[in-house]
Amino acid sequence: EVQLVESGGDLVQPGGSLRLSCAASGFAFSNYWMTWVRQAPGKGLEWVANINQDGRDKYFVDSVKGRLTISRDNAKNSLYLEMNSLRVEDTAVYYCARHGQIEGYSYMDVWGKGTTVSVSS
Amino acid sequence: QSALTQEASVSGTVGQKVTLSCTGNSNNIGSYAVGWYQQISHGAPKAVMFGNSLPSGIPDRFSGSKSGTTASLTISGLQPEDEADYYCSTLDYSLSAWVFGGGTKLTVL
Repeated sequence: EVQLVESGGDLVQPGGSLRLSCAASGFAFSNYWMTWVRQAPGKGLEWVANINQDGRDKYFVDSVKGRLTISRDNAKNSLYLEMNSLRVEDTAVYYCARHGQIEGYSYMDVWGKGTTVSVSS
Repeated sequence: QSALTQEASVSGTVGQKVTLSCTGNSNNIGSYAVGWYQQISHGAPKAVMFGNSLPSGIPDRFSGSKSGTTASLTISGLQPEDEADYYCSTLDYSLSAWVFGGGTKLTVL
């Protein structure tokens, strides 16, 4: 079964740090772009970052540049989101998702259940 | 403010056909295929359409289309289990980022 399982969410103070993990199983992880998407309480989905198959190409939404970084360990079938200088507005459920492809176009075809990050003093 | 614009809410009765729209610009919807994601009761999102292709396991009452900078998701023969929030998403070349619409809350009356 193709599966993504996030972990690492927690309550943290503003300015703090956190590392989220996403464990992949049931597919050849190293063959796929991977992405993080978040959803603040009562709000819609927001793309955060993504990373290519070998980890060399990374893209971020402007609001997290310089504070969050994405990485992966293909030997461990794992995706990570390192979060520093956290702000109250980073409070959200964080989902990891796989980028599938159809006819050369990419989309988020498999999603995890999410992990909750709360930033509050 | 989202890069893609969706109706805030749409409703329909069981068996009815409903269409959700997603409007962007030439840098996003006008240049790339659009994905549609269903989220039931704030659970994990699930892909229900990409371009006009149906992901495995999604019933064929779902269909997708695009004209210029507007994409549409049509549900023919609405079912109670289709009640959910629906989000459109695509790649925005000018932003070098993936963008989502604000979401449409679909209510099945």
